[in-house]
Amino acid sequence: AQKVTQAQTEISVVEKEDVTLDCVYETRDTTYYLFWYKQPPSGELVFLIRRNSFDEQNEISGRYSWNFQKSTSSFNFTITASQVVDSAVYFCALIEYNFNKFYFGSGTKLNVKP
Amino acid sequence: GAVVSQHPSRVICKSGTSVKIECRSLDFQATTMFWYRQFPKKSLMLMATSNEGSKATYEQGVEKDKFLINHASLTLSTLTVTSAHPEDSSFYICSASEGGPYEQYFGPGTRLTVT
Repeated sequence: AQKVTQAQTEISVVEKEDVTLDCVYETRDTTYYLFWYKQPPSGELVFLIRRNSFDEQNEISGRYSWNFQKSTSSFNFTITASQVVDSAVYFCALIEYNFNKFYFGSGTKLNVKP
Repeated sequence: GAVVSQHPSRVICKSGTSVKIECRSLDFQATTMFWYRQFPKKSLMLMATSNEGSKATYEQGVEKDKFLINHASLTLSTLTVTSAHPEDSSFYICSASEGGPYEQYFGPGTRLTVT
């Protein structure tokens, strides 16, 4: 079974629209970490956020915000007022404390059109 | 922040030859390094985990004789694709950790094309 599911394969929005990327995870561990990475066409992974399982506070960083809800095992990512430079593939990932390895979702390709 | 480099960034090689990819942690000592493979429009798949001075642990389905990993120092790990074939063409990404796996820093990736 997939440990991290990103059901949206590709999303297209027009600049200045808000967009939410969904991430649902599955784990039996009580201690785990969730991540979001951005992968622009150059291929390099850009770290966006890390959250541990004991911190359910939502986070905002500029136009980016994250909604972590353990009750629904979701860690969604919202970009407010999207820009063309936000166009990239975004990966959600999970590390379980006891298993020592990353599980990546399949990624969501975001196209922001001018 | 922690910086991880990879060399080369792109490589084209002929079928049957071997190619080596280097992964270096530039400003920290990496006790553990990870190698990932990414097919076009696909996710990252962990290939192997290596700890400095010991043999790498390969994920199920990854041929250890095909993908040789060496982690000889705390700042360098190498991945050698032996007798490369076109199906080995992929984007290879390394990451390095000086502590727990949740503190992994990714390299910029190496695009391998086998002709």
